[in-house]
Amino acid sequence: GDSVTQMEGPVTLSEEAFLTINCTYTATGYPSLFWYVQYPGEGLQLLLKATKADDKGSNKGFEATYRKETTSFHLEKGSVQVSDSAVYFCALAIRGSQGNLIFGKGTKLSVKP
Amino acid sequence: NAGVTQTPKFQVLKTGQSMTLQCAQDMNHEYMSWYRQDPGMGLRLIHYSVGAGITDQGEVPNGYNVSRSTTEDFPLRLLSAAPSQTSVYFCASGRAPSRTDTQYFGPGTRLTVL
Repeated sequence: GDSVTQMEGPVTLSEEAFLTINCTYTATGYPSLFWYVQYPGEGLQLLLKATKADDKGSNKGFEATYRKETTSFHLEKGSVQVSDSAVYFCALAIRGSQGNLIFGKGTKLSVKP
Repeated sequence: NAGVTQTPKFQVLKTGQSMTLQCAQDMNHEYMSWYRQDPGMGLRLIHYSVGAGITDQGEVPNGYNVSRSTTEDFPLRLLSAAPSQTSVYFCASGRAPSRTDTQYFGPGTRLTVL
């Protein structure tokens, strides 16, 4: 079935370090891909998305490129801040799913000053 | 706009009790859904709706009922609570039932069943 696999956490980085969180997917057809972020005590909010192959989503210094050949959508940021500490979820929605999201298990990121 | 609102924020139930988790959105969104979040499991879809009067089951619907009598509201009912339903519940809405659409999440309800 359709699924999302993302790297296990927690991930601990120092401020200004480079971040990569890996995400790969299995899906029928061509899904849309999303990264959602959950700050402590809050609900999820969209960080970025890409709806077709080779699209790059970007927001707040984060970016991810939809790679159909490797079925991946890795999240990257060049220089993390303490305020980026959160749980990051990779998700997909397949054609015909009516927008229903399939989530990865989440990766907790802690950034130390 | 208040966005997506959920009540209550926290709830403790005893096994066998029933309750309703409330969800409302003020963005005139067609699509609404309920997810549960469990440690190490990500979020899993319980039920969803693509418009008033239309609901369908998601991945984990057992033990839950929903209805959608208005565009704005999408309550989730636990018929007879069980400890396995201890979780954090999130309601979400989207402009249209489309794979490309962004979903907006509420702040969540943390439910404990004793």
